[in-house]
Amino acid sequence: DVQLVESGGGLVQPGGSLRLSCAASGFTFSNSAMSWVRQAPGKGLEWVSAISGFGGATYYADSVKGRFTVSRANSKNTLYLQMNSLRAEDTAVYYCAKDVLDSSGPRLDSWGQGTLVTVSS
Amino acid sequence: EIVLTQSPGTLSLSPGERATLSCRASQSVTSTYLAWYQQKPGQAPRLLIYGASSRATGIPDRFSGSGSGTDFTLTISRLEPEDFAVYYCQQYGRSPLWTFGQGTKVEIK
Repeated sequence: DVQLVESGGGLVQPGGSLRLSCAASGFTFSNSAMSWVRQAPGKGLEWVSAISGFGGATYYADSVKGRFTVSRANSKNTLYLQMNSLRAEDTAVYYCAKDVLDSSGPRLDSWGQGTLVTVSS
Repeated sequence: EIVLTQSPGTLSLSPGERATLSCRASQSVTSTYLAWYQQKPGQAPRLLIYGASSRATGIPDRFSGSGSGTDFTLTISRLEPEDFAVYYCQQYGRSPLWTFGQGTKVEIK
């Protein structure tokens, strides 16, 4: 079974940094693009970033471009999100998700349980 | 950027009733690129439908998706107690890569 486990969330001051990790198992990690999706308290889902299977292509939402960096270590089956210059509006639960990009229809078919990031002084 | 607008915001129904949720796109969407997710309180989203009408693995057949162009629908034929949740539509694009609707909450009447 696919398992995605996020870690690294916590309380950070505005302007600070945090690195999230997502440990993956149950599938061939290097073959899968991965995404980060966040959800502010009581709000809807917002896609944040994605990375291709071998890390050659990265994508970002405008709201985090220039502040967040997505990366992966395929040897460790781990996805990362480095978050710098954090703002109060970045407060959210951050989910990692496995992208499936095939002819049947792109989708995020597996999700982790999420890790909470709180940006506050 | 394509904007997805879901309606209604909240749907109040009783178990056994039929639920019809709408997702309207600001521009035409390739049907293959439209998906639906279910999210229960305190849980991660779960994929229900992809390619506008294909059920994900393990999803009961009371869930069905339809639509094309700018109008898509998620139908739950007979609501079970575990179906009361928030539902999101999503489309795959270029920039941003993934776009979500704002969600429809299906609550018990």
